Amino acid sequence: AQSVTQLGSHVSVSEGALVLLRCNYSSSVPPYLFWYVQYPNQGLQLLLKYTSAATLVKGINGFEAEFKKSETSFHLTKPSAHMRDAAEYFCAVSLGGGGFKTIFGAGTRLFVKA
Amino acid sequence: DVKVTQSSRYLVKRTGEKVFLECVQDMDHENMFWYRQDPGLGLRLIYFSYDVKMKEKGDIPEGYSVSREKKERFSLILESASTNQTSMYLCAIQRPTDRAPEQYFGPGTRLTVT
Repeated sequence: AQSVTQLGSHVSVSEGALVLLRCNYSSSVPPYLFWYVQYPNQGLQLLLKYTSAATLVKGINGFEAEFKKSETSFHLTKPSAHMRDAAEYFCAVSLGGGGFKTIFGAGTRLFVKA
Repeated sequence: DVKVTQSSRYLVKRTGEKVFLECVQDMDHENMFWYRQDPGLGLRLIYFSYDVKMKEKGDIPEGYSVSREKKERFSLILESASTNQTSMYLCAIQRPTDRAPEQYFGPGTRLTVT
């Protein structure tokens, strides 16, 4: 069975500091992995996705994530936080291939201090 | 641009009422999903549909039903609303032929049952 664990329900950083949001997954087969962002009062939108083409995945708004099979991790990073990055971030795992189910983590709320 | 619309952004209903939440897409995607989102629990799948008149239970279907009479429209029905169904409801669509099928979300409906 697949599962996703996001470490830390809240993360606070200063503007300009490194953002690191942690995600570990469990899957019996190579998974597809996703990071979604949810801004206040909006639905989720895709930040980036891992499709096995490359272990380092670049997404929108300067975010990137690295797939590490040995650590079963897919942590999200951004070198320099902006105030507009304040949102909730969800890691998700799917088997893909037309499979319907995507399992979402519990979410990490990112706060950015001026 | 993908467009997923939900019939209401905010809804207040009384206990015992029958509640309809509607989701409409303009992308001709086959797969449609209903999730509820609660703090600390992430997104939990209620029902999904992979074709007209087809539906499958998700992880928490109790107290809910769905209807998909047309490809572009997927309705979530709360047969008799209860206070524990107060939540944010998110509709999503997906194109199953994508290799790593991401989901596209509507803006959400925040339902309060009093």
